[in-house]
Amino acid sequence: EVQLVESGGDLVQPGRSLRLSCVASGFTFEDYAMHWVRRAPGKGLEWVSGISWDGDNVGYADSVKGRFTISRDNAKNSLFLQMNSLRAEDMALYYCAKDLGQWLTPKAYAMDVWGQGTTVTVSA
Amino acid sequence: EIVLTQSPDFQSVTPKEKVTITCRASQSIGSNLHWYQHKADQSPKLLIKYASQSFSGVPSRFSGSGSGTEFTLTINSLEVEDAATYYCHQSSSLPYSFGQGTKLEIK
Repeated sequence: EVQLVESGGDLVQPGRSLRLSCVASGFTFEDYAMHWVRRAPGKGLEWVSGISWDGDNVGYADSVKGRFTISRDNAKNSLFLQMNSLRAEDMALYYCAKDLGQWLTPKAYAMDVWGQGTTVTVSA
Repeated sequence: EIVLTQSPDFQSVTPKEKVTITCRASQSIGSNLHWYQHKADQSPKLLIKYASQSFSGVPSRFSGSGSGTEFTLTINSLEVEDAATYYCHQSSSLPYSFGQGTKLEIK
C-alpha cells in the first residue's frame, strides 16, 4: 500500500524551531519529487515547499522562504521540513505529498498521494 | 508569483445538479493546473491533472477543461458524497500555489 506518514508536529512558542518528518512506503521514494502543503485553521491549502527526486532543486512559498528548509534522505525513504523562527501564522496541519514526477523545475506535476498530516501549534 | 482565483467561494447545491467551479490564473500556466477534493478530517484527493485528465479511480462525473488562464471543474449529477472543498493548484512555476478553495454544501 502506498503510504505517507508525517510526524514531528507539536506545540511550540513563537520564534522556536521544529522539524517535521514524513516516511514513505509502498513506492520507490527516490523516483519522485515531494512537497509539503499546509492548511491553517479556517484557511485553505497552501503550498509550502517542494524538492526534486535527488534533492538538487528546492522551492519555497514566499511566506516561509529563509525560515524553512526542505530536505530528503532517499536511503531512509524520508522527507523533512526544518522550520525555524516559527510564527503564529505558521500554525497549521502540515501534509506531506508525493508528486507524479521527478522534477521540481522547470515545472512539477500533480500531487497524487497525501499523508494524514501533522499538526503544528505556535503559541506562547 | 502566480495567483489562482476560484469562483464561487461557496455554493449550496442539490443532488443531481450540475456544478461548475472556475479557476483563473494571474498569468498563463498552459495546462499545468490540477484539481483536488478535500473533505473534513481527510487528506486532499487528486481529481483532475493537467486541466482535463481524470486521475485514476475518480468517478466520471468529474471533468476538467481550460488552458492558459481560465479553467473549469465540472461535476455532473452531483452526489451527496461530493460535499467538500475543491481547490485548483498550479505547478507551472515556483512558488507553486493553490486557489482559495470552493466549498460545496449539499442541500
